[in-house]
Amino acid sequence: EIVLTQSPGTLSLSPGDRATLSCRASQSVANNYLAWFRQNRGQAPRLLISGASTRATGIPDRFSGSGSGTDFTLTISRLEPEDFAVYYCLQHGFSWTFGQGTKVEIK
Amino acid sequence: QVQLVESGGGLVKPGGSLRLSCAASGFKFSDYYMAWIRQAPGKGLEWVAFISGLDSAIHYADSVKGRFTISRDNDKRSVYLQMNSLRDEDTAVYYCARWSQPLDYWGQGILVTVSS
Repeated sequence: EIVLTQSPGTLSLSPGDRATLSCRASQSVANNYLAWFRQNRGQAPRLLISGASTRATGIPDRFSGSGSGTDFTLTISRLEPEDFAVYYCLQHGFSWTFGQGTKVEIK
Repeated sequence: QVQLVESGGGLVKPGGSLRLSCAASGFKFSDYYMAWIRQAPGKGLEWVAFISGLDSAIHYADSVKGRFTISRDNDKRSVYLQMNSLRDEDTAVYYCARWSQPLDYWGQGILVTVSS
């Protein structure tokens, strides 16, 4: 089983700040099948990024994904109020596993 | 527009059974894999099962293998999760989701509580 470790556990930032979230895999993710989701409180997750770096339909360009192999990053260039949420990575190159999540909170 | 609506959740005793349903609309249902994902209270996401468009591929997480069964009825545009031998640790919000690039649409979720 591929284990995904997200860091940090919590990120305390202000609106307008840049956020950098990490997702590290215990082994290489096949075909860079790595996705990112945002989950606002009380809501279902929403797909942000697929294939490590492709923004999903309707996702603004302040979200960007990068990385390959075992190390992946989600960057939010300027935090909007709705971006204060929990973020999950998912690998689906070999079975599926989610990371444990990173909470982005208002400082 | 794509819509996924779960139903069938509720309170059940340990060892009991429950069947979740997810009604889909707004897309060609039979063309897509569908999945169930769950989230225990205050915890992260855990995939449960997924099924291909024509039932040829079905996979389960180890935590539910042998107890849960995923199925679908393309004529009714619905996917189901039969949950047997339920345990306390199965308590969660269960989401159905469409598999595309991946998991591009999710339902609102349905709560399943396993408690005596």
